[in-house]
Amino acid sequence: RKEVEQDPGPFNVPEGATVAFNCTYSNSASQSFFWYRQDCRKEPKLLMSVYSSGNEDGRFTAQLNRASQYISLLIRDSKLSDSATYLCVVNGGTYKYIFGTGTRLKVLA
Amino acid sequence: EAGVAQSPRYKIIEKRQSVAFWCNPISGHATLYWYQQILGQGPKLLIQFQNNGVVDDSQLPKDRFSAERLKGVDSTLKIQPAKLEDSAVYLCASSLGTSGRVYNEQFFGPGTRLTVL
Repeated sequence: RKEVEQDPGPFNVPEGATVAFNCTYSNSASQSFFWYRQDCRKEPKLLMSVYSSGNEDGRFTAQLNRASQYISLLIRDSKLSDSATYLCVVNGGTYKYIFGTGTRLKVLA
Repeated sequence: EAGVAQSPRYKIIEKRQSVAFWCNPISGHATLYWYQQILGQGPKLLIQFQNNGVVDDSQLPKDRFSAERLKGVDSTLKIQPAKLEDSAVYLCASSLGTSGRVYNEQFFGPGTRLTVL
C-alpha cells in the first residue's frame, strides 16, 4: 500500500460546481496534513493545512478523519482558475513530507 | 522576500553524461529538500538537509546521484551517469526547519526540467 494515495482523476466539473477529493494515508502516527496546489509546469504551492477540527478558507474546506486515515478537500463554487493538480501531503517524520500523486481538476466553462 | 532559486531551468543531455543542478534556498531556511517529479506523479523526496547535515537520503540512488550542501546554504545535486529514466523535473524546496514546531511550510523553487536522450 502506498504511503499516500490519491485518485489521479481528472475530475471534470462545470463552473460553479462543488467537488471533493479524498486522500488516504498509511502511517497512523502522521501528525500533519496539507493540500498543495500545482499548476501545469509550475512548482507546488501550499493551499492549506488540515487541522484536526477541520478548517475552511473561503471556498475551500479541509477535513481530517484520523480513524479512517484520510483527509479531504472540498471546493465550492468552482472557478476556471481552480483548474490545477491538488497534491495531498502527509508529514512522515521530522520535517519530512510525503506527497501523493495528485488529483487533476479541470473546471469547464 | 526572494524565493528559492534554481538553475538551470532546462537541461537536455544524452544518457551516460553528467549533469548538476544548483539551488539557493530562502535566506534563513535551515531545511533544504531535493525532489524528483516524474510527469504525472507527485514529487518524490531524494534528499533532505538540515543545515549542512543529511537528515534523509533513503530514496537517493547513491550509485549515480549525489548532493551536498556546503556551509548550510546553497546546494547542488549531481547525476553521473544519467539514465533515460532520470528525465524529470528536479525541485528544490526549503523551510524554516524550526525545532518545536510540527510543521514548517515548504517553499519550492521553479524546478529544473531534465531531459535525457
